[in-house]
Amino acid sequence: AQRVTQPEKLLSVFKGAPVELKCNYSYSGSPELFWYVQYSRQRLQLLLRHISRESIKGFTADLNKGETSFHLKKPFAQEEDSAMYYCALIGGSQGNLIFGKGTKLSVKP
Amino acid sequence: NAGVTQTPKFQVLKTGQSMTLQCAQDMNHEYMSWYRQDPGMGLRLIHYSVGAGITDQGEVPNGYNVSRSTTEDFPLRLLSAAPSQTSVYFCASSSRLSTDTQYFGPGTRLTVL
Repeated sequence: AQRVTQPEKLLSVFKGAPVELKCNYSYSGSPELFWYVQYSRQRLQLLLRHISRESIKGFTADLNKGETSFHLKKPFAQEEDSAMYYCALIGGSQGNLIFGKGTKLSVKP
Repeated sequence: NAGVTQTPKFQVLKTGQSMTLQCAQDMNHEYMSWYRQDPGMGLRLIHYSVGAGITDQGEVPNGYNVSRSTTEDFPLRLLSAAPSQTSVYFCASSSRLSTDTQYFGPGTRLTVL
């Protein structure tokens, strides 16, 4: 079954520390993977997708097919990074987004 | 462009009442979907539509109906509200399915008493 697992419900780090939000997936074939972010009182928005291999707001994510992972990383966390982060993949017969349960990142001053 | 809009922002219902959550987009997107967001559960797909006149069920469709008479609008109907439907509901749209960015609405917070 196609599935996205985010093992951490909450991740708390200090400002300036590195941060890694974990995402593992279950998918047969080549997955299309995304990270979406929801800041407080704002709508969900795309942070990055693996096919574009870009860095947004200092975040990067590398697809590791061997480990079936797509972890989100940032070398130096900022307070404004505090948000809910969702990993997602395109799956299902109609190519719908399948979301993980989300990780709440809290960056302390 | 207003993007994806949802009304109302907040709603309180009594068990058994019905209501419609509105969703509209002005980006001429073909694909629209409804998700519910519950603590510890992430976002779960309720229904989706790949174009006007075409709808299909997602992961958690029971208790909800949808229709897509126009490209712009994708209302979600609760037929007989239950406390288990207390949630935050998000509508989203994208131009195609795969690889395209999904644009989300601001959400509707629904409480069923």
